[in-house]
Amino acid sequence: NAGVTQTPKFQVLKTGQSMTLQCAQDMNHEYMSWYRQDPGMGLRLIHYSVGAGITDQGEVPNGYNVSRSTTEDFPLRLLSAAPSQTSVYFCASSYHNSNYGYTFGSGTRLTVV
Amino acid sequence: GQQLNQSPQSMFIQEGEDVSMNCTSSSIFNTWLWYKQDPGEGPVLLIALYKAGELTSNGRLTAQFGITRKDSFLNISASIPSDVGIYFCGRTGANNLFFGTGTRLTVIP
Repeated sequence: NAGVTQTPKFQVLKTGQSMTLQCAQDMNHEYMSWYRQDPGMGLRLIHYSVGAGITDQGEVPNGYNVSRSTTEDFPLRLLSAAPSQTSVYFCASSYHNSNYGYTFGSGTRLTVV
Repeated sequence: GQQLNQSPQSMFIQEGEDVSMNCTSSSIFNTWLWYKQDPGEGPVLLIALYKAGELTSNGRLTAQFGITRKDSFLNISASIPSDVGIYFCGRTGANNLFFGTGTRLTVIP
């Protein structure tokens, strides 16, 4: 049972490049979310999904796209990377919201130069 | 926004000491969650609280859901070096989980 798997673990991009951060979970969780973590800012919600085919914006969605074509996968796309998107990105999933808590992946450290 | 205020921002303590940190908000919540993040890893759920006044323990960790439903605290007794990390409070709502800014704990052997 792998839990939440994020790839890659590290990535360096040039400004303007695009890329996709991958997230997969094998727990049949309905809810999936993407967070970014910056020093002193805690974890901020980027986008989330409550089930396949359903996505919505979080606190800081600008510059990111998501899709949820399957229950297992929730990729995060950076359309045109900017230095302000240098951060550590975490994917998380939950069977239900609220009472069950969320399981997190180990993160992707992204640097945009 | 969904601001949760955590204090202190950081703590340096001697091994064996007890630790207390808290989280406050101007809004009422129905669930409080406490997470710990080890260096280089994602957050891991420590304790979940579901009703006002609830006191829950997990080993050396104890957390309480404040009576006003606007705050929560986490205590760690007899700290050990592996307690090092960032502790986050979180609350759920609107189909999601929102975090405080974290308390960074350093334990000095």
